[in-house]
Amino acid sequence: RKEVEQDPGPFNVPEGATVAFNCTYSNSASQSFFWYRQDCRKEPKLLMSVYSSGNEDGRFTAQLNRASQYISLLIRDSKLSDSATYLCVVSDQAGTALIFGKGTTLSVSS
Amino acid sequence: DAGITQSPRYKITETGRQVTLMCHQTWSHSYMFWYRQDLGHGLRLIYYSAAADITDKGEVPDGYVVSRSKTENFPLTLESATRSQTSVYFCASSARDRIITTKNIQYFGAGTRLSVL
Repeated sequence: RKEVEQDPGPFNVPEGATVAFNCTYSNSASQSFFWYRQDCRKEPKLLMSVYSSGNEDGRFTAQLNRASQYISLLIRDSKLSDSATYLCVVSDQAGTALIFGKGTTLSVSS
Repeated sequence: DAGITQSPRYKITETGRQVTLMCHQTWSHSYMFWYRQDLGHGLRLIYYSAAADITDKGEVPDGYVVSRSKTENFPLTLESATRSQTSVYFCASSARDRIITTKNIQYFGAGTRLSVL
């Protein structure tokens, strides 16, 4: 079983759509959880941390279910600028190393 | 506010040559990391360092050597480059804290695109 698995994508949506990405992880002792965004030929950048209680940042909502080892990201009112690859990221048990999913590509069109 | 910088940004070399990729951070982060990113594999950890003179292997360390004599620098050396090491290499750093887990956030450099011919 891969350590972090994501929806393969790509997701092609119109502007204004709501889109959800899912992710599962295998290490139940993982400490930290994040969503990173990576634009084409650029470095990954933190989009948001993910907390057990769920958290929201503007149009973005992240959820964590530790019992199911499941993470989600919801993007509301999609913008053209949201087009990117979204990486689900989980720390190892010590919280030191990050394990990255392969990413899900989102393409938002007008 | 330089943050984390990698050099060179692009490198073409030949098989068998030694290549060193540089990484420098100005935040005094204790942890630094090297990843490679390939199609179909995503980001894979090569080596990481918890502090000066402390390094540890990641998922794919074979063929690579690292050192960390100063906190701010973490060079990655390919001792004898092979075609399979053609990739995009990213350096990252983090403050790391057992309690404040948001400090485990890693910040990435812009990457080095390496081609081994």
